[in-house]
Amino acid sequence: DAGVIQSPRHEVTEMGQEVTLRCKPISGHNSLFWYRQTMMRGLELLIYFNNNVPIDDSGMPEDRFSAKMPNASFSTLKIQPSEPRDSAVYFCASRPTSGELFFGEGSRLTVL
Amino acid sequence: GESVGLHLPTLSVQEGDNSIINCAYSNSASDYFIWYKQESGKGPQFIIDIRSNMDKRQGQRVTVLLNKTVKHLSLQIAATQPGDSAVYFCAAYTSGTYKYIFGTGTRLKVLA
Repeated sequence: DAGVIQSPRHEVTEMGQEVTLRCKPISGHNSLFWYRQTMMRGLELLIYFNNNVPIDDSGMPEDRFSAKMPNASFSTLKIQPSEPRDSAVYFCASRPTSGELFFGEGSRLTVL
Repeated sequence: GESVGLHLPTLSVQEGDNSIINCAYSNSASDYFIWYKQESGKGPQFIIDIRSNMDKRQGQRVTVLLNKTVKHLSLQIAATQPGDSAVYFCAAYTSGTYKYIFGTGTRLKVLA
């Protein structure tokens, strides 16, 4: 299995631009998580999907952030407009019904 | 709110020595615990897990100990190698929820 696949691995953009991060979970996993990692705050849960349905988006910082999961094999996290404080590494993780999370390699976002 | 803390931000050990990384959690309802290893520029990787009905679990060169009375778990790495250098996270999970509460991480440095 290829594992959780994220793209892009690195993104540098200017303040105000739209950013779209993509994730392909492991086939057969029915739960998908988006996390943000910073030095100051560690790993923060942004949103959780179960069977493609958003269950909890209370971790999404504000309306500038949105996430979708149109099917079981694809999810996006969008930031519009982006701000410098959004600079972080964004991880997607998936899991089967229970057990440990399987993380992707992350998307490192830098907003100038 | 729930938290998971680590006792030391950085741990330096000599190659060949044993390493012990500690973690404390706050939610007594947590019943599943995971240790992750994160190398620079990569996503967290699963090392070992333990359920609350156990107090010890062993893997290859790694052992996790769980003390539910004081809400503490530790990761022991035997014969630490340079490849063990990374940041180690513990995560606490409560069945019936979807939330993994991650600690802030301990950076393990292996000295030659």
